[in-house]
Amino acid sequence: QKEVEQDPGPLSVPEGAIVSLNCTYSNSAFQYFMWYRQYSRKGPELLMYTYSSGNKEDGRFTAQVDKSSKYISLFIRDSQPSDSATYLCAIHKAAGNKLTFGGGTRVLVKP
Amino acid sequence: DSGVTQTPKHLITATGQRVTLRCSPRSGDLSVYWYQQSLDQGLQFLIQYYNGEERAKGNILERFSAQQFPDLHSELNLSSLELGDSALYFCASNLAGREQYFGPGTRLTVT
Repeated sequence: QKEVEQDPGPLSVPEGAIVSLNCTYSNSAFQYFMWYRQYSRKGPELLMYTYSSGNKEDGRFTAQVDKSSKYISLFIRDSQPSDSATYLCAIHKAAGNKLTFGGGTRVLVKP
Repeated sequence: DSGVTQTPKHLITATGQRVTLRCSPRSGDLSVYWYQQSLDQGLQFLIQYYNGEERAKGNILERFSAQQFPDLHSELNLSSLELGDSALYFCASNLAGREQYFGPGTRLTVT
């Protein structure tokens, strides 16, 4: 079993819809949570970073963390075709140096 | 643009050969991380350097090695290349904290 599980999609939504993405993880040592966006053949771009349970909002993006359920989510409001990309969750332990990534969810926003 | 630069963008080489990938971190960052991204394995952490010293190792093969120089740029050396080494190689950097900023990647094709 992978430490971080993420549905690979693809997830296809119409423009303007809410995109809902999630990851589950198995190790309670994971304490810091990130979401990256990756366009095809480009480097991952950091979107959101949080370390506490609850919600964090940044523009059209909301990251949600539920440590008791080991479940994290990313919501994209008013989705645009430019949001079409692969979204990767990444998790960091309290101690240690590496990020553990989910496999990524491919999102397609149709105009 | 994250501020992390990687060269070359694309490398094509034959099995058994050796290549060197180069990364320059964001200005002020002391840590450099190397990741491999393949279709079947996703983004996998290889190795981290902090201010010239190896700090953490992940799933890095013995045929692969890295170093970080006094000017903080880093090189990843891949030798005795196999077809299965074809992948995207990313470097990321940070100063402290958990979030990492990724470069545009080097696409390696081994024929």
